[in-house]
Amino acid sequence: DTEVTQTPKHLVMGMTNKKSLKCEQHMGHRAMYWYKQKAKKPPELMFVYSYEKLSINESVPSRFSPECPNSSLLNLHLHALQPEDSALYLCASSQDPHRVGEQYFGPGTRLTVT
Amino acid sequence: GDSVTQMEGPVTLSEEAFLTINCTYTATGYPSLFWYVQYPGEGLQLLLKATKADDKGSNKGFEATYRKETTSFHLEKGSVQVSDSAVYFCALRVLGQFYFGTGTSLTVIP
Repeated sequence: DTEVTQTPKHLVMGMTNKKSLKCEQHMGHRAMYWYKQKAKKPPELMFVYSYEKLSINESVPSRFSPECPNSSLLNLHLHALQPEDSALYLCASSQDPHRVGEQYFGPGTRLTVT
Repeated sequence: GDSVTQMEGPVTLSEEAFLTINCTYTATGYPSLFWYVQYPGEGLQLLLKATKADDKGSNKGFEATYRKETTSFHLEKGSVQVSDSAVYFCALRVLGQFYFGTGTSLTVIP
């Protein structure tokens, strides 16, 4: 099973709302990633968790708050977002944070901020 | 620094045409190379990979060969189908970090 699941598939939120995106994998992978993807662009790395610890934060605004409750789950908490934050948010995982191996991506959450 | 450069799109081909999407890379160390495909409204799917020089990755009729001498990993398919219409991303991984190319949009017309 090489599946990464994400919920919800679509999310519309106002600028004062608080919401969370969820990601889950059961492949035993020890690295998990959040990416933001705008239309017709490659994914932009936001955060990396390595063995459930935040290892990379690519200068993401504090209105995005990641959480890794255990080795299978990854959340992205959203608060006071801006319309320019509307994008496809992709979760990914890989077996080992430091060595070779591919990433497996979830289907994404399409976020619209109104 | 480490990076991937891939062919600008969009690319439009007729069904059964030959496809090449160029990808070159710059990397320190010994990278692994990947092609991902993204269909409309979906996440990225791993299409094929190669982990060392001269390896050939292949899947669903697509092929790419890891060429260290030319630092390239070009994607090819002998006969494209309408269902191959998607965006294709070349990517590399080195020292645990992933780098993506800008993506090439492919449209195949009947």
